[in-house]
Parts: sequence; structure tokens; C-alpha cells
Amino acid sequence: DTEVTQTPKHLVMGMTNKKSLKCEQHMGHRAMYWYKQKAKKPPELMFVYSYEKLSINESVPSRFSPECPNSSLLNLHLHALQPEDSALYLCASSQIPGQGTYGYTFGSGTRLTVV
Amino acid sequence: ELKVEQNPLFLSMQEGKNYTIYCNYSTTSDRLYWYRQDPGKSLESLFVLLSNGAVKQEGRLMASLDTKARLSTLHITAAVHDLSATYFCAVVVAGNQFYFGTGTSLTVIP
Repeated sequence: DTEVTQTPKHLVMGMTNKKSLKCEQHMGHRAMYWYKQKAKKPPELMFVYSYEKLSINESVPSRFSPECPNSSLLNLHLHALQPEDSALYLCASSQIPGQGTYGYTFGSGTRLTVV
Repeated sequence: ELKVEQNPLFLSMQEGKNYTIYCNYSTTSDRLYWYRQDPGKSLESLFVLLSNGAVKQEGRLMASLDTKARLSTLHITAAVHDLSATYFCAVVVAGNQFYFGTGTSLTVIP
């Protein structure tokens, strides 16, 4: 299995809703990432998990809450979002640095619309 | 502040022509990646450049890396319509953080 699976593919939510994005990989990667991408812009790093521990939080608002329940799963919990949070949310995974030549494997993304 | 800048941001070129996209970055990094993204889709890995002077080629695309100049290039040879997409370079910082360039939106015109 060489894929990163993201669900759902599309999500429309109101500003008072609570929802979660899910990301799963079975490649044995021990680093997982969330990126946010606005239209016609590059992906922006949000969170990095290494060995299931949060190692990087790029000053992301607390209405985004990541969770890594195990080495294969990464969630992004959403609460009280704003319309400007509408974007494509990409999950990625990679080997840990020093464990060989590695790159990111990206999921297909979740297209989030906040209304 | 880390900067990864691509030039040009928008490129419209005719089929059969050659062109080069440039990626400049402001921090030390010994590896650089190129990705392709089609509208509304995820990112597809094109090249991994792991050392100074590295050159990789796949079909009509060729990528190179000069770590001393902090510059990577993506050269397009005899462009075809299927190459129309947005191309991103990405540098690796602190071991495993990818930071993406500003992107180059390429349109190949018949």
C-alpha cells in the first residue's frame, strides 16, 4: 500500500459545526503532516507529527486541533471555523529523516467549505 | 524568514517550445523536490534532487540543483498540452519540513 487516504473528499460545514478530517497511511511512515492550500497558492505547513508526537505547530489557530491516535492515523478536528478557512487540506506522510531517501506522499486532499 | 521563490509565476508557452522555471531559496538545504498539481487535485511528485549538481530527467522535464547558488531549475523541452499544470518546488528544512515555492502556473497553447 503506497497511498495516503483522506476522508472526506469534500466537506461543507457551518461556522458553529464540529467536524473532523481523517488521514490514513500504511507505509510505515512515522512522520505525518497537515497542509492548508488556498486557491492558486502553495501549500502551507500547519502541523508535523513525528512518532505520534506533535513536533511542529506553525502558529495555527486553536479552532484547528490535530490528533495522532496511532502511527497510521492523523485527524484534524475543526470547530468554530471561519469562511476564510475554506481551502484544500492536504495530509502527507514520510519516513523519518535519516531512514533513507524519503519524500512526502500526499493524500488527495479534503476540499473544505465553511458557510 | 525562509523564502522559496519561483520565476515566473505564470507561463504561457506554445507547443514545441522550450522554457525553464527557476526556484530560488533563502536557506541552506541539501535536498529539493519538484511537484506537479493539476487543478483541484493533490500534488504529484516529479523529482527528488539530493545533492549539489544533481540532474534528473523524465520525459520532457529535466530538473537540476545548485546548492551553492540555492537554485533549482525545471527545464521543459518541446512542450505539449499535457504539461499544463502548476509546478511547485519544495525545500526541506530541519530534516522533515517541506516549504513550497510560490508555484508556476504553466499553460501550453496548441
